[in-house]
Amino acid sequence: EAQVTQNPRYLITVTGKKLTVTCSQNMNHEYMSWYRQDPGLGLRQIYYSMNVEVTDKGDVPEGYKVSRKEKRNFPLILESPSPNQTSLYFCASTHPDRVNSPLHFGNGTRLTVT
Amino acid sequence: GNSVTQMEGPVTLSEEAFLTINCTYTATGYPSLFWYVQYPGEGLQLLLKATKADDKGSNKGFEATYRKETTSFHLEKGSVQVSDSAVYFCALISFLQGGSEKLVFGKGTKLTVNP
Repeated sequence: EAQVTQNPRYLITVTGKKLTVTCSQNMNHEYMSWYRQDPGLGLRQIYYSMNVEVTDKGDVPEGYKVSRKEKRNFPLILESPSPNQTSLYFCASTHPDRVNSPLHFGNGTRLTVT
Repeated sequence: GNSVTQMEGPVTLSEEAFLTINCTYTATGYPSLFWYVQYPGEGLQLLLKATKADDKGSNKGFEATYRKETTSFHLEKGSVQVSDSAVYFCALISFLQGGSEKLVFGKGTKLTVNP
């Protein structure tokens, strides 16, 4: 089954404790992206990657890191989480032609930072 | 800059009611327009799209027409079901100078359909 898999689904942590949210897709997609979803703000892009070893900042990259060492994986790293990073996070993937190839989303990771 | 504005929710309807969720956009050039749907506990999934003016996208009884003259892409369904309860996102892809693309989402509209 074609899918984007995020782990974990739920995560509660404390300020300053490094964490990684994993994302993996099995569709051989070149493009991958991370979003955060907050009430009243909708979806905002954090980072994206057009292909292996190519990453770029989205609209809200501060406090996040990503890496793209393999085509299928695109982990999101929070080196020193803070309470304002409490949010619902989504990973998504697609082919470069995003007009004709829709974004495929994971089921989300709900992060709480206390 | 490029942006999408959706009607604020939440929207609450009874089963079999008519649905309209308004979406207007601001973009340079000729964007492609999309509606994504997010069911409870899931990620977003594409509902329908339109890539040029006057195109109508349709899927699962939902329709939206790309209106360049009013810069709108309103989502409609003639008779909603309880299973349509979800959050609906309008989005656009605009094509920037240099060949890059920018995908922009609206803030989402929550729809609840009561039996």
